[in-house]
Amino acid sequence: GENVEQHPSTLSVQEGDSAVIKCTYSDSASNYFPWYKQELGKGPQLIIDIRSNVGEKKDQRIAVTLNKTAKHFSLHITETQPEDSAVYFCAASGSSNTGKLIFGQGTTLQVKP
Amino acid sequence: DGGITQSPKYLFRKEGQNVTLSCEQNLNHDAMYWYRQDPGQGLRLIYYSQIVNDFQKGDIAEGYSVSREKKESFPLTVTSAQKNPTAFYLCASSPDVNSYEQYFGPGTRLTVT
Repeated sequence: GENVEQHPSTLSVQEGDSAVIKCTYSDSASNYFPWYKQELGKGPQLIIDIRSNVGEKKDQRIAVTLNKTAKHFSLHITETQPEDSAVYFCAASGSSNTGKLIFGQGTTLQVKP
Repeated sequence: DGGITQSPKYLFRKEGQNVTLSCEQNLNHDAMYWYRQDPGQGLRLIYYSQIVNDFQKGDIAEGYSVSREKKESFPLTVTSAQKNPTAFYLCASSPDVNSYEQYFGPGTRLTVT
């Protein structure tokens, strides 16, 4: 069935360093790949997304890359700050015309001051 | 102030009681979704609705029920048949099923003892 694998499950970096989170998906028909940031006790917030007709998208310190051939996509955060500490989820669009997203298991990012 | 609201933030119930979680959106979105989140895990889809008066089972619908009588409202009832109801419940909405962009509410933490 449809599946999204996310790695690593936890990531600890020093403030100012870069962080990279990777996801792989199983359904070759997936064409939408969002990333969410979830702070403790809150709902996930959409921070960046990419569609399959684009290989890379950037928004200030955050970038996402997509390799459709290999069926994987990654989130890159540069110049990390303590407020970047949160759980990050990737997702991939599910079967056609349902609007469903298949979520990865999440990555807990800790940015040490 | 547009967005998705979920109430209450915390909910406590005794085992054997049904409980209804509220989800309201004023974004004029067609599609709405309910997810369950357990500690250290990703989001699992309970039910979703693409349009008023229609809804579909997600991956873990057993023990839950929903209704979609109004576009802006998608309440979730956790029934006594749900074996392990204690969890963080998240509601999301999307402009339509073809966009896949989902926006989340703040969540309701349900504790059943």
